[in-house]
Amino acid sequence: AQTIHQWPVAEIKAVGSPLSLGCTIKGKSSPNLYWYWQATGGTLQQLFYSITVGQVESVVQLNLSASRPKDDQFILSTEKLLLSHSGFYLCAWSPWGQDTQYFGPGTRLLVL
Amino acid sequence: SQLAEENLWALSVHEGESVTVNCSYKTSITALQWYRQKSGEGPAQLILIRSNEREKRNGRLRATLDTSSQSSSLSITATRCEDTAVYFCATYNQGKLIFGQGTKLSIKP
Repeated sequence: AQTIHQWPVAEIKAVGSPLSLGCTIKGKSSPNLYWYWQATGGTLQQLFYSITVGQVESVVQLNLSASRPKDDQFILSTEKLLLSHSGFYLCAWSPWGQDTQYFGPGTRLLVL
Repeated sequence: SQLAEENLWALSVHEGESVTVNCSYKTSITALQWYRQKSGEGPAQLILIRSNEREKRNGRLRATLDTSSQSSSLSITATRCEDTAVYFCATYNQGKLIFGQGTKLSIKP
């Protein structure tokens, strides 16, 4: 069975500080990977997707970057946080060629 | 504006009752998905209904799709407290999964 793990569970960070969020998928090789952002009470907005190691496509520009250093790992980062980065960050995966996306438990970020 | 939108921001019913969440979309689709997101968790897919299907069931859940009116509905029968969640419809557009704004469903005991 596939499992998806996100870390950390929650973060409180200062404006201007760096950030790194991680996501690992176990039990599935070569998945498509996605990062989403969700404001409190809002909808999900796709930020990045990756279909293979080393390749990441940006969907929305929010002063964030993403990398896929390993087949099962997806990293979201920024060197300088903004207040608007606060929210719920979700990692998801889908099998190649399939429409269903499977979401992780999320990381809640508060920027002060 | 969203490509897919649920028609109501919030609904509330008593446990055991049935409830329907509606969604409308704006583009031609190959499939529409319904997701449920419980508080503090990631969304989970409930049903995927393809454009050549009119109805699909999953236990107490029933989704319909009307491509002529570009609308879909998700019905839940015999609701339980654990059905309390936000329900999203979602469609693909240019390779991206686009979620609606969501309908917050509260099940009262």
